[in-house]
Amino acid sequence: EAGVAQSPRYKIIEKRQSVAFWCNPISGHATLYWYQQILGQGPKLLIQFQNNGVVDDSQLPKDRFSAERLKGVDSTLKIQPAKLEDSAVYLCASSLSRGANYGYTFGSGTRLTVV
Amino acid sequence: GENVEQHPSTLSVQEGDSAVIKCTYSDSASNYFPWYKQELGKRPQLIIDIRSNVGEKKDQRIAVTLNKTAKHFSLHITETQPEDSAVYFCAASMWSSASKIIFGSGTRLSIRP
Repeated sequence: EAGVAQSPRYKIIEKRQSVAFWCNPISGHATLYWYQQILGQGPKLLIQFQNNGVVDDSQLPKDRFSAERLKGVDSTLKIQPAKLEDSAVYLCASSLSRGANYGYTFGSGTRLTVV
Repeated sequence: GENVEQHPSTLSVQEGDSAVIKCTYSDSASNYFPWYKQELGKRPQLIIDIRSNVGEKKDQRIAVTLNKTAKHFSLHITETQPEDSAVYFCAASMWSSASKIIFGSGTRLSIRP
């Protein structure tokens, strides 16, 4: 089966600019996650969708980050305006349903550098 | 909420020797503990997992152990090989639940030839 697709792979922006990341989950996977992985740290969950609804966004800095999954398939994550500390790899993952028991597959990630 | 601590942060072992990575978790309700391997520039990949109704699980050269009472779980890699060099993450979650996966901070394992 095709994996989780993410684009772009790399992005370099100046602080205060905006940026958007795109994720296409595995076909049929109802649950989609966005994780932020800062260099040298473990992935941190930003937001979790079940179909097109938000399940958990408690760790999402909502003053600058937003995410949507309008049709329950693709998702975009946006940062506006970006700060230096947003430099990280943004990983998208999907699973058949909620919870880790349905197979949790990560995409290759988008490496964001804010200068 | 759940907090997962992992150590050591870096580990260097001679090829052929064993490597052990240890994690602790805080939420006694967690009952699913996956381990992920992340090679440089690549995505995290699940290598083994264990549920809290099991104390130990083995898959060829890797094994995981779980002590629910102490809230400890460990990854053991025997007969290490160069391709084992990577960053390893432990994680905790609740099986059959909407709970998210909480990751440890990672262990960078280097295998010396």
